Amino acid sequence: AQSVTQPDIHITVSEGASLELRCNYSYGATPYLFWYVQSPGQGLQLLLKYFSGDTLVQGIKGFEAEFKRSQSSFNLRKPSVHWSDAAEYFCAVGLPGGGGNKLTFGTGTQLKVEL
Amino acid sequence: DGGITQSPKYLFRKEGQNVTLSCEQNLNHDAMYWYRQDPGQGLRLIYYSQIVNDFQKGDIAEGYSVSREKKESFPLTVTSAQKNPTAFYLCASSKGLAGGRSYNEQFFGPGTRLTVL
Repeated sequence: AQSVTQPDIHITVSEGASLELRCNYSYGATPYLFWYVQSPGQGLQLLLKYFSGDTLVQGIKGFEAEFKRSQSSFNLRKPSVHWSDAAEYFCAVGLPGGGGNKLTFGTGTQLKVEL
Repeated sequence: DGGITQSPKYLFRKEGQNVTLSCEQNLNHDAMYWYRQDPGQGLRLIYYSQIVNDFQKGDIAEGYSVSREKKESFPLTVTSAQKNPTAFYLCASSKGLAGGRSYNEQFFGPGTRLTVL
């Protein structure tokens, strides 16, 4: 079955430390890849996306993600975390060929930032 | 400012009642979506619509209904047949697939929290 896995439910990092959030997918072809962030009680905001081309993509708020085809991964990174980055992060994939623009989401990673 | 609005922000329902959640967008997007979010389960697709007067079931459509009479609006009705409706509901929209694009990112509204009393 097709799936998106975020293996870390919770992650705690100190402010100023680096961050990597993991995302793996299981699809027959390379999907379209997204990272979204959600603050408590709010909607989702798009951080970055990968459709094709350069496998290292830059997003908003200093985030970047790297697509690794061999590992079916799209991990999110940030060199230095700020307290305001505390939120829940969702990886999502869309099937090539359109699929009605539908997205499949991972279960999310809750990020806590210690001051 | 362009965006997606959802109302109300909080909604309380008695068992056996139908309730309707509003979603409006002024982004001129063709496609709209409804998701349900439960703790630890991510987002699950309820219904989606790629064009006015057309919509398709998502992964968890049972107990829900939608309409798409206008491009800007995609209301979701939670019926009494939905056995566990307490959740956070998110509406999203995206550009259509015309013009050779094979995919478009989705933009989300602020959500409606529904609680069954």
